[in-house]
Amino acid sequence: RKEVEQDPGPFNVPEGATVAFNCTYSNSASQSFFWYRQDCRKEPKLLMSVYSSGNEDGRFTAQLNRASQYISLLIRDSKLSDSATYLCVVTSISSGSARQLTFGSGTQLTVLP
Amino acid sequence: GAGVSQSPRYKVAKRGQDVALRCDPISGHVSLFWYQQALGQGPEFLTYFQNEAQLDKSGLPSDRFFAERPEGSVSTLKIQRTQQEDSAVYLCASSLTLNTGSQHFGDGTRLSIL
Repeated sequence: RKEVEQDPGPFNVPEGATVAFNCTYSNSASQSFFWYRQDCRKEPKLLMSVYSSGNEDGRFTAQLNRASQYISLLIRDSKLSDSATYLCVVTSISSGSARQLTFGSGTQLTVLP
Repeated sequence: GAGVSQSPRYKVAKRGQDVALRCDPISGHVSLFWYQQALGQGPEFLTYFQNEAQLDKSGLPSDRFFAERPEGSVSTLKIQRTQQEDSAVYLCASSLTLNTGSQHFGDGTRLSIL
């Protein structure tokens, strides 16, 4: 079982739709949580951090449930430019004390005109 | 530019050849990470450096993989006697400190082993 698991996707939605992605993680010692976005053949870029209290950044809302070890991302009023792969990321302290990122396999989103 | 720079952008090698991939992190970033990303998968951790010290190499798949960062800035990932399963995108990331989960990634090197 992978340490971070995501909806397999792909998600194909019309412009303006609301779409939700889910992610679960297995390491209860995980400390920080993020969503990264990766466009085709490009590098991953940080989209937003995820907190237990929930956080919102414009049309994007992220939520963490530590008890269930579950992370979500909600995108409202989706735009064509939201088309990308969304990577769920958790961090833990590695043997050298750095925050090691563990990525899910990603969920591909295509927003259709 | 001010971002993480990787070279070459693409590398094709024959099975058995050695390859070297370069990463130039953001100036002043203490931590440098290498990841391997197979097609359709998320990046997987290979190794990381704090300045010139390689503190974790637990993700390196075999002893054919070697990374160095001798002066605490530029890093090189070397793969010896390449195999077809080494074909992947190799991503380098840097961060200002050890304790941030926010890493800045380079565009990656797309390695194809024939």
